[in-house]
Amino acid sequence: DIQMTQSPSSLSASVGDRVTITCRASQSISIYLNWYQQKPGKAPKLLIYAASSLQSGVPSRFSGSGSGTDFTLTISSLQPDDFATYYCQQYNSYSWTFGQGTKVEIK
Amino acid sequence: EVQLVESGGGLVKPGGSLRLSCAASGFTFSSYSMNWVRQAPGKGLEWVSSISSSSSYIYYADSVKGRFTISRDNAKNSLYLQMNSLRAEDTAVYYCARASRDGYSYFDYWGQGTLVTVSS
Repeated sequence: DIQMTQSPSSLSASVGDRVTITCRASQSISIYLNWYQQKPGKAPKLLIYAASSLQSGVPSRFSGSGSGTDFTLTISSLQPDDFATYYCQQYNSYSWTFGQGTKVEIK
Repeated sequence: EVQLVESGGGLVKPGGSLRLSCAASGFTFSSYSMNWVRQAPGKGLEWVSSISSSSSYIYYADSVKGRFTISRDNAKNSLYLQMNSLRAEDTAVYYCARASRDGYSYFDYWGQGTLVTVSS
C-alpha cells in the first residue's frame, strides 16, 4: 500500500502569511493527488484535484503543485476562513490513502 | 444542488452489526462511483470502500475486508454499508462521498456524516 506523509503536522500562522504544506508518497503516483480542507465538525471539502487543478468555487489563493512523489499545497495569503485541517489524498490501483493531516492554527 | 445524507449510525456492542445508508439527490446517481470514508474521533480520514456506478466493481480497505459490505440501489438513489463483526476500532464518523468521473478519482461531494460508536 502507498503511504502518504504530510508535513508539518501542525503550524501556526498569521492572517496574510504564505503557508506551504507538503505531502510525500511512498512511491510514484503521477498526479493522482488531491487536497481537502476540513473544519471541526464538518465534512471535508475538495480544494485541489489532480495535483494542481483548482476545484470550482475554491479561492485562487489556494494552489497545488508536484508530481511523482512530492506535492505541495500553498495558501498565498492566509485568510481567517482558512484556519482548518488539510489532508492530502492519493489514488492508486483502486485504493485511496489520506495523509495524516496538517492543522493550521492562528498565531 | 448535490446532496448526500447519511443515516443509520448509533451505538452498537462489539461483535454487533449496523447498516448505514446514504441518500443522494441533485445528480444522476447511477452515473457515479460512490465511496465510504471514516474518521475516528480526533483522528484523520480513512477510505473504507468504493462501488462503481453499476456495482460491477467493489473495493475495500484491508481493515474492513470480510466484515463490511458496500451496496447501492440506483432506483432509490441510495448507497449502503453493511457493517458486521464490529470492533471498538470501527468507532468513527462515516461519510459517503461521490467520486469524480474524469479518471482522477477525487471525492468532490461529501455527506455530513453519521457517527458509529462500538462499545459495550
